[in-house]
Amino acid sequence: EPEVTQTPSHQVTQMGQEVILRCVPISNHLYFYWYRQILGQKVEFLVSFYNNEISEKSEIFDDQFSVERPDGSNFTLKIRSTKLEDSAMYFCASSPVTAGGGGEQFFGPGTRLTVL
Amino acid sequence: QQQVKQSPQSLIVQKGGISIINCAYENTAFDYFPWYQQFPGKGPALLIAIRPDVSEKKEGRFTISFNKSAKQFSLHIMDSQPGDSATYFCAARGFNKFYFGSGTKLNVKP
Repeated sequence: EPEVTQTPSHQVTQMGQEVILRCVPISNHLYFYWYRQILGQKVEFLVSFYNNEISEKSEIFDDQFSVERPDGSNFTLKIRSTKLEDSAMYFCASSPVTAGGGGEQFFGPGTRLTVL
Repeated sequence: QQQVKQSPQSLIVQKGGISIINCAYENTAFDYFPWYQQFPGKGPALLIAIRPDVSEKKEGRFTISFNKSAKQFSLHIMDSQPGDSATYFCAARGFNKFYFGSGTKLNVKP
């Protein structure tokens, strides 16, 4: 069964460093998402991406964040200058059609980001 | 503004009992209401979902009840099993994104 994969599973970085979290969505999906989950808290939407551009973003997704689909398979989330409060689990998701158009999202296993 | 409110925060149920988790939403434009199950260290996985034109949906031991006028929906887990012990999130879809509830940690005692 196709699944969303994410690498690395755990990333430890120093405050102020740049990190790139990688995701490989399900191959025939067109819509891609990033969510984060601070330990013990709810899942929070960060950004959605379609046709090589951002569709929606939340207030969390500020100028420190960027997303990219550098090739036909990868979808990345970059945090330019990490802060302590960026420590969280980051989930990638993909769907065959838009969330607003009936698309079911499939989540990856997550990357745990720890900022020291 | 919290778009989706979920309760209880945690729930302990005996094996064989019924687990009930409730959610309330704010925006009438939401058009799809999934429930996700999450085990520690894993991503959320879709469990069951409902659209607002239906009042109830059942899949095996899992049932969603939906009350459009009250803007509430709930997950019922019948014959709860220890393997059901996980965190459950309700969500609502609107404006091309999903809004999640705060989660309910379910512990089913053997």
